[in-house]
Amino acid sequence: DTGVSQDPRHKITKRGQNVTFRCDPISEHNRLYWYRQTLGQGPEFLTYFQNEAQLEKSRLLSDRFSAERPKGSFSTLEIQRTEQGDSAMYLCASSPRTGSGNTIYFGEGSWLTVV
Amino acid sequence: AQSVTQLDSQVPVFEEAPVELRCNYSSSVSVYLFWYVQYPNQGLQLLLKYLSGSTLVKGINGFEAEFNKSQTSFHLRKPSVHISDTAEYFCAVSVLNDYKLSFGAGTTVTVRA
Repeated sequence: DTGVSQDPRHKITKRGQNVTFRCDPISEHNRLYWYRQTLGQGPEFLTYFQNEAQLEKSRLLSDRFSAERPKGSFSTLEIQRTEQGDSAMYLCASSPRTGSGNTIYFGEGSWLTVV
Repeated sequence: AQSVTQLDSQVPVFEEAPVELRCNYSSSVSVYLFWYVQYPNQGLQLLLKYLSGSTLVKGINGFEAEFNKSQTSFHLRKPSVHISDTAEYFCAVSVLNDYKLSFGAGTTVTVRA
């Protein structure tokens, strides 16, 4: 059983460029989450999908951020017109429909550095 | 809304000594509680969780935690730490039918020989 997979693991981009991260959840997990973590802080919730439906978005998710999960499997997180404040680790996670309480399994994260 | 406070930002400890990481939560409804560990430049790995039942929860790598409802705490303990336990530890809370987690700010554990 493979875990949550994220790509790329590291991305350096110039301010103003667009970046996209991909997440492949654990197979058969119907819930998928995106979190953001800055240095010295705990992860902060960004958004959540159940199958292909995006059910909740945090206020942290500005208009420059968009997430999709088109077929209820993998997901992408796109950041448009990146700013230096977007530099962080973007964590993807997934959880099954039932049987685990609210147990969420995280990927290795995608580091974004905006220069 | 629920929230988590981790009372110690840094905990230095000698190898083979015990360690306790303190976590308090705030919620108006019943909670699920979790401890995750994060090694440098990696994602989060689940150490243990409390969903219901016995208040003493055992996890991986010799860690355990005790849920105390009256004190709204979920402290993490290990009787004897190893150098490899050096990492960041996060306490997290969620509630029934709210599938996202709220995390504390983390506790950095540094184990010295």
